[in-house]
Amino acid sequence: EAGVAQSPRYKIIEKRQSVAFWCNPISGHATLYWYQQILGQGPKLLIQFQNNGVVDDSQLPKDRFSAERLKGVDSTLKIQPAKLEDSAVYLCASSLQGAQSPLHFGNGTRLTVT
Amino acid sequence: DQQVKQNSPSLSVQEGRISILNCDYTNSMFDYFLWYKKYPAEGPTFLISISSIKDKNEDGRFTVFLNKSAKHLSLHIVPSQPGDSAVYFCAASAIRGSEKLVFGKGTKLTVNP
Repeated sequence: EAGVAQSPRYKIIEKRQSVAFWCNPISGHATLYWYQQILGQGPKLLIQFQNNGVVDDSQLPKDRFSAERLKGVDSTLKIQPAKLEDSAVYLCASSLQGAQSPLHFGNGTRLTVT
Repeated sequence: DQQVKQNSPSLSVQEGRISILNCDYTNSMFDYFLWYKKYPAEGPTFLISISSIKDKNEDGRFTVFLNKSAKHLSLHIVPSQPGDSAVYFCAASAIRGSEKLVFGKGTKLTVNP
């Protein structure tokens, strides 16, 4: 079974620029998550999709972050404009049945904002 | 407000000995608990889980214990191997709640040969 695919692996941008991350979940997984992991912290949920719909985006900074999941498969996460504190690893994960089944994570995108 | 706490940032053990990683939680609604292992430059990988109807779950060298009254769980690795060296995250969710998976900050385990 192919795992969760994410791109790019690394991205360096200047503050106030925009950036986008892409995720392709495991085939058949209805639930998709974007997590932010700041150095020394555990992953923090930004947004959770069930098929096309948003289940939880309570911790997504909506003034600068946006995410979409077209056709219930691939997803993109965008930051515009970026701030220094957005420097983190952005992890995409998918699961069969929400958080009651194990999440499968991609290798993440390491974002550095200078 | 940290609902899942891993108070030991790091742990070092000798190969062949037992590793015990601890996790405390504050939200009494949590009823499903997982441990994830993370190697550098990779995403976390699922290791083992336990639901609140059990107090122990075992998978090979890995055993998770749950003490609901103390809101505490632990992961035991016996025997520890150098390949177990990684960061271990405890995570929890609530079936009847938002199902949002909440992670601790992680414990870095080093197994010395």
